[in-house]
Amino acid sequence: KAGVTQTPRYLIKTRGQQVTLSCSPISGHRSVSWYQQTPGQGLQFLFEYFSETQRNKGNFPGRFSGRQFSNSRSEMNVSTLELGDSALYLCASSLETGPGGTQYFGPGTRLLVL
Amino acid sequence: GENVEQHPSTLSVQEGDSAVIKCTYSDSASNYFPWYKQELGKRPQLIIDIRSNVGEKKDQRIAVTLNKTAKHFSLHITETQPEDSAVYFCAASISSNTGKLIFGQGTTLQVKP
Repeated sequence: KAGVTQTPRYLIKTRGQQVTLSCSPISGHRSVSWYQQTPGQGLQFLFEYFSETQRNKGNFPGRFSGRQFSNSRSEMNVSTLELGDSALYLCASSLETGPGGTQYFGPGTRLLVL
Repeated sequence: GENVEQHPSTLSVQEGDSAVIKCTYSDSASNYFPWYKQELGKRPQLIIDIRSNVGEKKDQRIAVTLNKTAKHFSLHITETQPEDSAVYFCAASISSNTGKLIFGQGTTLQVKP
């Protein structure tokens, strides 16, 4: 099976702009989680989607949002970008939701905000 | 709140030696503990995981132990090789009904040939 894919891989934006990142899970996986990775804060949970429903949300401002489509593909959106949003955004897919479901990560989208 | 502490932040060993990385979690409801390896510029990859009903799990040179009473778990790598050099992250699944993982801060392991 193909692994988790994310597009685009690299992105440069300026402050105040918005950005949409896409994640395609492994075929058959219905759960998609998003994480932000920065050198200072490490890997932080953003949100998880399962069957088009947001199941949980991390401690991020409302500028961060997401959604999941019927084919399990997911997008996350960041509005009004700030310099501190520069990070590697990783998505992970899992066969099912719930603890114990192995999460497989995509290669990430590296976002640079200038 | 939910928290996972990981130590040490950096670890340097000679090839062939063992390496141990330790993590402590705060929520006693945690019941799933994966370990990920991330090489420079690459995605995190699961190397081993353990569930709360198991005390130890091994996979070739890698083992993980879990002490539920003390709320800590450890990664053990034996006979380290240069290709083991990477950043290792522990994580805990806190919520009872979602796939939310809380990660430790990571350990940079350097294996010197």
